[in-house]
Amino acid sequence: KAGVTQTPRYLIKTRGQQVTLSCSPISGHRSVSWYQQTPGQGLQFLFEYFSETQRNKGNFPGRFSGRQFSNSRSEMNVSTLELGDSALYLCASSFQEGAGGYTFGSGTRLTVV
Amino acid sequence: DQQVKQNSPSLSVQEGRISILNCDYTNSMFDYFLWYKKYPAEGPTFLISISSIKDKNEDGRFTVFLNKSAKHLSLHIVPSQPGDSAVYFCAAFEYGNKLVFGAGTILRVKS
Repeated sequence: KAGVTQTPRYLIKTRGQQVTLSCSPISGHRSVSWYQQTPGQGLQFLFEYFSETQRNKGNFPGRFSGRQFSNSRSEMNVSTLELGDSALYLCASSFQEGAGGYTFGSGTRLTVV
Repeated sequence: DQQVKQNSPSLSVQEGRISILNCDYTNSMFDYFLWYKKYPAEGPTFLISISSIKDKNEDGRFTVFLNKSAKHLSLHIVPSQPGDSAVYFCAAFEYGNKLVFGAGTILRVKS
């Protein structure tokens, strides 16, 4: 059974640009959550999608957005990139929303220069 | 507002000894608590969990203790092995809500 797949693994962008990250959940999982990991901050929750609807949202500016498609694949978009957006972005999928049981992907390492 | 706190950024333990990782939380509505382990360049992997109605859960070398009155949980690893060296995240959730993580504790097991 394939795990959670995140693409790309590494990304370097310039300040002001925008970026789109992709996440393919485990087959059959309908919930996808996104987290930002920075040193000393742990995993900060961005948002959770279930059946194409955003169910929960963290405390991030509107530059961070996401969506989920009918096949449960999810994308996260960050516009007008800032240096502070450099982080590891992790996607996790689970069978149902708000019930834990998350399986994480390996993440996308975003560097903003 | 940090609902889940791991106050020790790092911990160093000798191989064969016990590792104790601590976690405190503020939200008394949390239903479930989990520990994740993370190696560099990989996503976190689930290690062990405990329901809020239990006070102990054991899985091999790993035991999680929950003290609801103190809003505190701990992960015990006995005996510690060099392969246990990783970042350990404590996490918690209330059914229907997001999974909240602590900042993590770096565990180094010395051989």
